[in-house]
Amino acid sequence: KAGVTQTPRYLIKTRGQQVTLSCSPISGHRSVSWYQQTPGQGLQFLFEYFSETQRNKGNFPGRFSGRQFSNSRSEMNVSTLELGDSALYLCASRVNPDAKNIQYFGAGTRLSVL
Amino acid sequence: GEDVEQSLFLSVREGDSSVINCTYTDSSSTYLYWYKQEPGAGLQLLTYIFSNMDMKQDQRLTVLLNKKDKHLSLRIADTQTGDSAIYFCAESNGNRDDKIIFGKGTRLHILP
Repeated sequence: KAGVTQTPRYLIKTRGQQVTLSCSPISGHRSVSWYQQTPGQGLQFLFEYFSETQRNKGNFPGRFSGRQFSNSRSEMNVSTLELGDSALYLCASRVNPDAKNIQYFGAGTRLSVL
Repeated sequence: GEDVEQSLFLSVREGDSSVINCTYTDSSSTYLYWYKQEPGAGLQLLTYIFSNMDMKQDQRLTVLLNKKDKHLSLRIADTQTGDSAIYFCAESNGNRDDKIIFGKGTRLHILP
């Protein structure tokens, strides 16, 4: 069974641009969560999607948005990029958003904002 | 609010045991996890424990849970250079929209 796939693996953008990251969950998993990882802040939860609906949201500005498609694939968009958005963005999937279901992570997309 | 705390660094000699500690604040935590992150990679689930268990062993890994003190530990026996990574403790429960709360991670450094 294929794992969680994130594309692209690396991205370089400049301030003010926007970016879209993609995540394909494990087959059969309908919940997708996004996290931002930086050296100073650790892993910070962005949002979780289930059945194409945002279920949970972390404390990030509205520049960060996401969506989920009917095949459970998810995209995350960041508009008007700032230098501080440079980070590793991790996607995780689980069968459904029940606490007993384990999250499995992708390898991440490393975003550098210049 | 809910919080998960870990020490940031741990150095261990190759062949010794590593013990990584974690404390959490949510007394209704039901599921506790240990993830490993190697350089340039995502998080890999190492092991997990349900709150009704005290201990779980899986090959070189032993997880101990002290629910009264809200303390979780991960012991790695016979630490190898391949164990060098960041280890994340995480917890979740069904009363908090099933959100998973992560610690900041403990960087394990292996000394020759």
